[in-house]
Amino acid sequence: AQTVTQSQPEMSVQEAETVTLSCTYDTSESDYYLFWYKQPPSRQMILVIRQEAYKQQNATENRFSVNFQKAAKSFSLKISDSQLGDAAMYFCASSTYGQNFVFGPGTRLSVLP
Amino acid sequence: DTGVSQNPRHKITKRGQNVTFRCDPISEHNRLYWYRQTLGQGPEFLTYFQNEAQLEKSRLLSDRFSAERPKGSFSTLEIQRTEQGDSAMYLCASSFKGSNQPQHFGDGTRLSIL
Repeated sequence: AQTVTQSQPEMSVQEAETVTLSCTYDTSESDYYLFWYKQPPSRQMILVIRQEAYKQQNATENRFSVNFQKAAKSFSLKISDSQLGDAAMYFCASSTYGQNFVFGPGTRLSVLP
Repeated sequence: DTGVSQNPRHKITKRGQNVTFRCDPISEHNRLYWYRQTLGQGPEFLTYFQNEAQLEKSRLLSDRFSAERPKGSFSTLEIQRTEQGDSAMYLCASSFKGSNQPQHFGDGTRLSIL
């Protein structure tokens, strides 16, 4: 069975600064996918970034990048040049063939002006 | 670009009543998922369809819950004899087939049981 853990219930960052959100996961599968989703207050969840486990290169999407440490089963999200619009709940999720998405409990990110 | 649409956005009902929610996925997507999300938690998987076939149901989905996806298009989630513990946000998502495919979520239906 897959499990996803996010050990930081809340984080805050100053506008324009960099913040890293932590995620650890556990799976017995060798082939799996990892995702970060963002859920702004009262708005729908949207995909931030995706990482294939077989790729060693860390995924990057504009100001968002991940640090994927396969051996440690760690998948952290780095947000650079934080903006007020980045304030949201962030969920880490994993998916394997034949299994469905498993989401972590989330980290609430506040961006301070 | 038409996203995932869920109706109603909010549903308030008395304990013991039946409720039904609807989800219209992105038309090109063949997979449709239902999740339940309680305050401050991540989404919990309930069930999913590939086209019209319901392929998996979570043990969270008691016999009071039933989901359908006739003709592989929209889906409905019905809860019979609602209980206080059913109060939650019910999220629908759709995707292309494949575990590497990201899911696209709707705005959810918030259910409140009086």
